[in-house]
Amino acid sequence: QSVLTQPPSASGTPGQRVTISCSGSSSNIGSNYVYWYQQLPGTAPKFVIYRNNQRPSGIPDRFSGSKSGTSASLAISGLRSEDEADYYCAAWDDSLSGPVFGGGTKLTVL
Amino acid sequence: HLQLQESGPGLVKPSETLSLTCTVSGGSINSSSYYWGWIRQPPGKGLEWIGNIFYSGTTYYNPSLKSRVTIPVDTSKNQFSLKLSSVTAADTAVYYCVRTYGSGSSLFDSWGQGTLVIVSS
Repeated sequence: QSVLTQPPSASGTPGQRVTISCSGSSSNIGSNYVYWYQQLPGTAPKFVIYRNNQRPSGIPDRFSGSKSGTSASLAISGLRSEDEADYYCAAWDDSLSGPVFGGGTKLTVL
Repeated sequence: HLQLQESGPGLVKPSETLSLTCTVSGGSINSSSYYWGWIRQPPGKGLEWIGNIFYSGTTYYNPSLKSRVTIPVDTSKNQFSLKLSSVTAADTAVYYCVRTYGSGSSLFDSWGQGTLVIVSS
């Protein structure tokens, strides 16, 4: 049972826009930054969004993040086959004094 | 270019201690900007933070694992380690060593490739 809640799966066709949600509480998302990680099959995760909505260098602007209250979202526009991966949200939790993750969302590009 | 590489046994017996080492290259562990730590992922499941260490030796552990975990650091070798005692099958996972930017952060900006550890007799 993950502290942050994500839908287990999401899908879209090439070119579409998909959104992945992440729900938490006042002790994590509500009071701290949200980060998003992409895990391609058989590889280590890498961050694609930091501090709610910032993109690291090398991540295309098709990826965007947002946060409102105790929820956050990752949006991917212009969906491409190489976006097919597992996506995880993460945030610091003040009650646990450590980072917590969502259970992950498997994105399928149809 | 920073690289992290995990090493250690891939098979551990139940009740024994899991020991892994992470070797950092292309950068120094002696940085006031970063913490170093471990995250694990059971097969087919999600990510779980295990703990972090600062180069000075300050540690932070997941409360659910705290009684069984230690993360020592060896700055002379640019390495840090993971020791997880009294393991069970539930500890079977891919273990990643990571670099964390800042204190109180969930920004894991560099990852090792991961190493699978199976707990079985």
